[in-house]
Amino acid sequence: AQKITQTQPGMFVQEKEAVTLDCTYDTSDPSYGLFWYKQPSSGEMIFLIYQGSYDQQNATEGRYSLNFQKARKSANLVISASQLGDSAMYFCALVTGANSKLTFGKGITLSVRP
Amino acid sequence: DTEVTQTPKHLVMGMTNKKSLKCEQHMGHRAMYWYKQKAKKPPELMFVYSYEKLSINESVPSRFSPECPNSSLLNLHLHALQPEDSALYLCASSPGPSRGETQYFGPGTRLLVL
Repeated sequence: AQKITQTQPGMFVQEKEAVTLDCTYDTSDPSYGLFWYKQPSSGEMIFLIYQGSYDQQNATEGRYSLNFQKARKSANLVISASQLGDSAMYFCALVTGANSKLTFGKGITLSVRP
Repeated sequence: DTEVTQTPKHLVMGMTNKKSLKCEQHMGHRAMYWYKQKAKKPPELMFVYSYEKLSINESVPSRFSPECPNSSLLNLHLHALQPEDSALYLCASSPGPSRGETQYFGPGTRLLVL
């Protein structure tokens, strides 16, 4: 069975600063993928970044980067130069096996202060 | 273009009503998903369609009935719902049903059952 853990109850960051959102996972499958999604109060889940278990480099997408530490089973999201529009709920999700079924963490609320 | 559309945005229905939620994508994706999300919780997978065939049903009650008329369209038929079914219903699609295929979500339908 797989498990995703997001334990930070809520995060605050000053505008223009960087913030790290934590995610740890557990799976016995050597082939897996990790996703991060952002969900503003409007409800839509927005894909941010993906890391495959065999990817040699940490994934980056614009201001988003993934600090992937395979031995520690962590996949933390780093947002650089925070913007007010980054205020949202952030979900980490794990996919294993042959299908695309996502296991979501419980999410972290990020609030960006002006 | 990574757009998934959902209609209606909001829906209020009584416990004896029959209604349908609609989801559409024109990205050529061959896998489509329905999720249910309660407030401040992660999305829960309900159904997966792969190449227009139902591939995963997460033991969802029969009052929810999915339908995939063609590769671009996914419906969720609702009948005799309970107040606890009130939630945000999210549709998603991915290029294929394999691990690592990114799921792109629609804006959701907020359902209230009275």
